[in-house]
Amino acid sequence: DIVMTQSPDSLAVSVGERATINCKSSQSVLYSSNNKNYLAWYQQKPGQPPKLLIYWASTRESGVPDRFSGSGSGTDFTLTISSLQAEDVAVYYCQQYFNSPPTFGQGTKLEIK
Amino acid sequence: QLQLQESGPGLVKPSETLSLTCTVSGDSISSSSYYWDWIRQPPGKGLEWIGSIYYSGSTSYNPSLKSRVTISVDTSKNQFSLKMSSVTAADTAIYYCAKKGDYLRPDDYWGQGTLVTVSS
Repeated sequence: DIVMTQSPDSLAVSVGERATINCKSSQSVLYSSNNKNYLAWYQQKPGQPPKLLIYWASTRESGVPDRFSGSGSGTDFTLTISSLQAEDVAVYYCQQYFNSPPTFGQGTKLEIK
Repeated sequence: QLQLQESGPGLVKPSETLSLTCTVSGDSISSSSYYWDWIRQPPGKGLEWIGSIYYSGSTSYNPSLKSRVTISVDTSKNQFSLKMSSVTAADTAIYYCAKKGDYLRPDDYWGQGTLVTVSS
């Protein structure tokens, strides 16, 4: 299985400031034939299911605010929230879907400072 | 708007079989290319993919659970189901059903989840 490791485990950022979450995979999730990274980011608020934010490492899901962006390739990826809003408090997960079984990072808890 | 809803017992005894059903509304479970997943989350912990099914009945399971898990589909009822045998307290979790657009894709629609507690 591909192991996904996120850092940090928790993060406190002031409203309006930038938040950055990192995700590293134990092997590359870049498929050379289509040059796509099989990496997604989810947001999970308390008592709710995960919500897909970003797929193909950098493509925002429909309706996701543009303050959320994803970057990276191969084994190293980043989720950036450019200007944190109070409603962004949540746990964020990365997921690889390069091969089966799809696997998730352990999660990063984002709080307001 | 696609919606998924999990249903089933919230309490299962150790060594027994956990059974859950996911009812899909707003689209046909037989829609081409969609795959249907079960994913679980122990309270306060991370996410674990359990397995997938295609409307044809083709399945894929997490090797860590494969010996205990069966996923099936009933296209006439627009439902798919999960059975997990020989459960222990370690199987206590919120169980989610979800949909993805193809086999190697992220899950873009999720049910609200149902908590299953394994306890005598």
